[in-house]
Amino acid sequence: AQRVTQPEKLLSVFKGAPVELKCNYSYSGSPELFWYVQYSRQRLQLLLRHISRESIKGFTADLNKGETSFHLKKPFAQEEDSAMYYCALNNTGNQFYFGTGTSLTVIP
Amino acid sequence: EPEVTQTPSHQVTQMGQEVILRCVPISNHLYFYWYRQILGQKVEFLVSFYNNEISEKSEIFDDQFSVERPDGSNFTLKIRSTKLEDSAMYFCASTQGDLAKNIQYFGAGTRLSVL
Repeated sequence: AQRVTQPEKLLSVFKGAPVELKCNYSYSGSPELFWYVQYSRQRLQLLLRHISRESIKGFTADLNKGETSFHLKKPFAQEEDSAMYYCALNNTGNQFYFGTGTSLTVIP
Repeated sequence: EPEVTQTPSHQVTQMGQEVILRCVPISNHLYFYWYRQILGQKVEFLVSFYNNEISEKSEIFDDQFSVERPDGSNFTLKIRSTKLEDSAMYFCASTQGDLAKNIQYFGAGTRLSVL
């Protein structure tokens, strides 16, 4: 069964501190992994996906197949990063699985 | 920038009633999805739709649920006989085809309250 685990429901960091949001997955094939973000009073939107290998808003995420992880990282957190973050997995078909989400608060 | 729109934003219904949640995907998108999020829980995949038919559905998407694309713009989710546990936020999403297939654009959601 496909499953996405985000162990932290809540995460608080100070502005300027590094931040890491954890995501682990279980999937027997080759999944595609994503991070979605939901800012306050806004809709869910794609932040980044592993196949793009890009940095968005200073965030990066590396797919580690050995550890089955796709942690989201940013070296210096900003107040505007405060949001709900969801890790998601797509199987080789057309089905998506989301984690339970991590609420990030960046303290000024 | 084009957006996925969902109506209504909040739907209140009595248990056992039928509800139809409406979505207008982005006009040139080809894949359409419904998700639900029960309060305090994760976003759960319900169904994906492509080329006028269901391409995948989850265990949640039982016979009480159906989807339809009645015209060129709307994508609807029908729940035939609502139960209390259907109370949730329902999100519609759409994607372009091919290489951009997995970049989903979400609507703002419809909050369904079953009394």
